[in-house]
Amino acid sequence: GESVGLHLPTLSVQEGDNSIINCAYSNSASDYFIWYKQESGKGPQFIIDIRSNMDKRQGQRVTVLLNKTVKHLSLQIAATQPGDSAVYFCADANSGTYKYIFGTGTRLKVLA
Amino acid sequence: NAGVTQTPKFQVLKTGQSMTLQCAQDMNHNSMYWYRQDPGMGLRLIYYSASEGTTDKGEVPNGYNVSRLNKREFSLRLESAAPSQTSVYFCASTQGTYEQYFGPGTRLTVT
Repeated sequence: GESVGLHLPTLSVQEGDNSIINCAYSNSASDYFIWYKQESGKGPQFIIDIRSNMDKRQGQRVTVLLNKTVKHLSLQIAATQPGDSAVYFCADANSGTYKYIFGTGTRLKVLA
Repeated sequence: NAGVTQTPKFQVLKTGQSMTLQCAQDMNHNSMYWYRQDPGMGLRLIYYSASEGTTDKGEVPNGYNVSRLNKREFSLRLESAAPSQTSVYFCASTQGTYEQYFGPGTRLTVT
């Protein structure tokens, strides 16, 4: 079946360092990709998205990279802060199908 | 503008009991979704409603029913709760293929 997965279940980084969270997807028809942050006891919160006609998109301290050739998505967080500690999910969707497929999540721990 | 709201926040049921989880959004979104989230797993789609008047099954629909009451509201019903339905339930909405906005979740325990 089609799935979105993550390479690492837990990522620990020093405060101030850059974080990179990776994601693989399998549906070659997906044309929309999104990253969410989920803090304990809360619902997922949008971070950044990218469409398949782009390779890179930048937000405030975050960058998403899309490699359609190998079906890989990554989230880069610059100067990681304690408030970035959370679980991060990627998801993909195919325009018109209304369905989003979520990965299992990566827990990011920021070490002081 | 409250975004997506869900009630109740917590619920404990005995096996065989029924209940309805309520969801409402005030963003005039066409599409609404119900997901469940279990420990160590991602969000799994239970049902979705692409637009008012339509509902479709997702990945794990067994044991659930939904109603798209109007454009704002999308409810999820458990007719006969089972321990396997212990989970955190999230409602989400979106307009087209864009970011989904999530509610705060309902934590359900079935004993």
